[in-house]
Amino acid sequence: GQNIDQPTEMTATEGAIVQINCTYQTSGFNGLFWYQQHAGEAPTFLSYNVLDGLEEKGRFSSFLSRSKGYSYLLLKELQMKDSASYLCAVRDSNYQLIWGAGTKLIIKP
Amino acid sequence: GAVVSQHPSWVICKSGTSVKIECRSLDFQATTMFWYRQFPKQSLMLMATSNEGSKATYEQGVEKDKFLINHASLTLSTLTVTSAHPEDSSFYICSARGDRDYEQFFGPGTRLTVL
Repeated sequence: GQNIDQPTEMTATEGAIVQINCTYQTSGFNGLFWYQQHAGEAPTFLSYNVLDGLEEKGRFSSFLSRSKGYSYLLLKELQMKDSASYLCAVRDSNYQLIWGAGTKLIIKP
Repeated sequence: GAVVSQHPSWVICKSGTSVKIECRSLDFQATTMFWYRQFPKQSLMLMATSNEGSKATYEQGVEKDKFLINHASLTLSTLTVTSAHPEDSSFYICSARGDRDYEQFFGPGTRLTVL
């Protein structure tokens, strides 16, 4: 079966760095996505990785290792507005997005 | 980035009535649109994939006669929840795929409450 695993909840301090991990087992791989979702709102696109390595975009970076079925989202200089759920999604061989359950990130002052 | 709108943003209806939700891509043509449902504290669940001019492809367990999807143009897809019941109360989100196949833009969502 297809499976995406990510921690249910994480807590971090304002100004710090946090890494949210995602491991996956899917039938085929055509890219991995990270989305941010604030409570009661739709997800917004953060990053897309299809090749191994690190993609940096401002305070957010995303890493992929296809051989390990592993990705992480790195958030630096955390701000209170970063409190949200972070969803990892993998596109399989049928180009269908398989979604993780999301990681709720709580930022404390 | 591209903009996807949904209407209405929230709706409250009586059990047994039908509700139509519209999803529009405002500044790009979307050949493929997706409809998701999200229950509280759960992840997105894909309900169906709709391609312009053809019948939607429903995920296993989603009743196509209950959730009617129409994708009549490259900028509009509609989801009609027929004979809604309280268990259909959820957050419904549409998304549209842009020109570059890795891009998927989400609408703001529609919160449906069935009394």
